[in-house]
Amino acid sequence: SAVISQKPSRDICQRGTSLTIQCQVDSQVTMMFWYRQQPGQSLTLIATANQGSEATYESGFVIDKFPISRPNLTFSTLTVSNMSPEDSSIYLCSVKSGITYNEQFFGPGTRLTVL
Amino acid sequence: AQSVTQLDSQVPVFEEAPVELRCNYSSSVSVYLFWYVQYPNQGLQLLLKYLSGSTLVKSINGFEAEFNKSQTSFHLRKPSVHISDTAEYFCAVSDMGGSEKLVFGKGTKLTVNP
Repeated sequence: SAVISQKPSRDICQRGTSLTIQCQVDSQVTMMFWYRQQPGQSLTLIATANQGSEATYESGFVIDKFPISRPNLTFSTLTVSNMSPEDSSIYLCSVKSGITYNEQFFGPGTRLTVL
Repeated sequence: AQSVTQLDSQVPVFEEAPVELRCNYSSSVSVYLFWYVQYPNQGLQLLLKYLSGSTLVKSINGFEAEFNKSQTSFHLRKPSVHISDTAEYFCAVSDMGGSEKLVFGKGTKLTVNP
């Protein structure tokens, strides 16, 4: 399985500011994903980070709020823009390394608190 | 579209007791099924998966899950739990048709008491 790291591991931010979260994988992967886990809730897919093209967003998530970059096959960033307290969540990066089965491996997550 | 239902949000048990965490799914197509575990203050780890073949799948730490197509279920079981099994467990599905999306249940918090 791939080893995934995320930075920062946690942060406390002020309303109206933006935070960029980094996801680094120790091997090249075909697909990278960003999920949100709100307090006491399950994981919700935000978007699929595509290498060399724009991310594909799920319903309810937009590029202006959650811009994503994926400059190569081992790295991606998610920015949470113009934050409000409702954005307080754990943000997780995951990767799919196999060709089939959609088996995904997750990073440790970034715990974000917005005041 | 798929959906996953984990009926029990919290399951408290005593150490060495058996446990079953329930997972039911809904899908119009064939699916792959997964159980993920999230230990306190850690990320998600893949516990086990059903892709095809034998409907009973097992993990290295004693958990097992059985795929029941007629009941659209994928319940997770362990005959004797340890305190170290205390964690949140998430059931997830993905369709076999090529969609990359994992759909998660709301999770079940397993607390093992001494």
